[in-house]
Amino acid sequence: SQQGEEDPQALSIQEGENATMNCSYKTSINNLQWYRQNSGRGLVHLILIRSNEREKHSGRLRVTLDTSKKSSSLLITASRAADTASYFCATDASGGATNKLIFGTGTLLAVQP
Amino acid sequence: DTEVTQTPKHLVMGMTNKKSLKCEQHMGHRAMYWYKQKAKKPPELMFVYSYEKLSINESVPSRFSPECPNSSLLNLHLHALQPEDSALYLCASDDLAGGTDTQYFGPGTRLTVL
Repeated sequence: SQQGEEDPQALSIQEGENATMNCSYKTSINNLQWYRQNSGRGLVHLILIRSNEREKHSGRLRVTLDTSKKSSSLLITASRAADTASYFCATDASGGATNKLIFGTGTLLAVQP
Repeated sequence: DTEVTQTPKHLVMGMTNKKSLKCEQHMGHRAMYWYKQKAKKPPELMFVYSYEKLSINESVPSRFSPECPNSSLLNLHLHALQPEDSALYLCASDDLAGGTDTQYFGPGTRLTVL
């Protein structure tokens, strides 16, 4: 399977703590993206990091990418109850006219108030 | 308007029924996608339309038939489905020319096949 792996599968933390999720993938990529999905709803794009970037920040989010290890991590700082959701990494290796995303297995984050 | 809309929100159908899912976006995006997501699993790509033409079919069974009538609208026609086809069906779009590579997702249609 081309699917990426994420760990942990589930993570439970207290409000105010930091949450770190990891993603590993199998093929060379153009970019790696992180999406959030609230229960049974659509996905929301969080952040994109290109293959020539090593680190990117957006608000309370920090993403790193190590192409030599084919891995990425997403750090959410000062978590809030509203951050409770599933988080998916998605890799784009298409390089063509469309963006064919392959999603990782996901991390279910629960932030306790 | 940065919204992708999907109708219906929920659909229950029998194995002999014919139904359609609808997706609409008015962001001027020229690529539209159908994904299938089973419970506690990641989304899996089914079809991609680029400039209203089918560009990717991920070996989806013929009981699923996509259609892109215009650049804003994407349909998924369903016929003779199986109970294992029950899932959340997600539509997405992106701006091929914009270079952002970000996909915008609709809220999904929850399909139950009896």
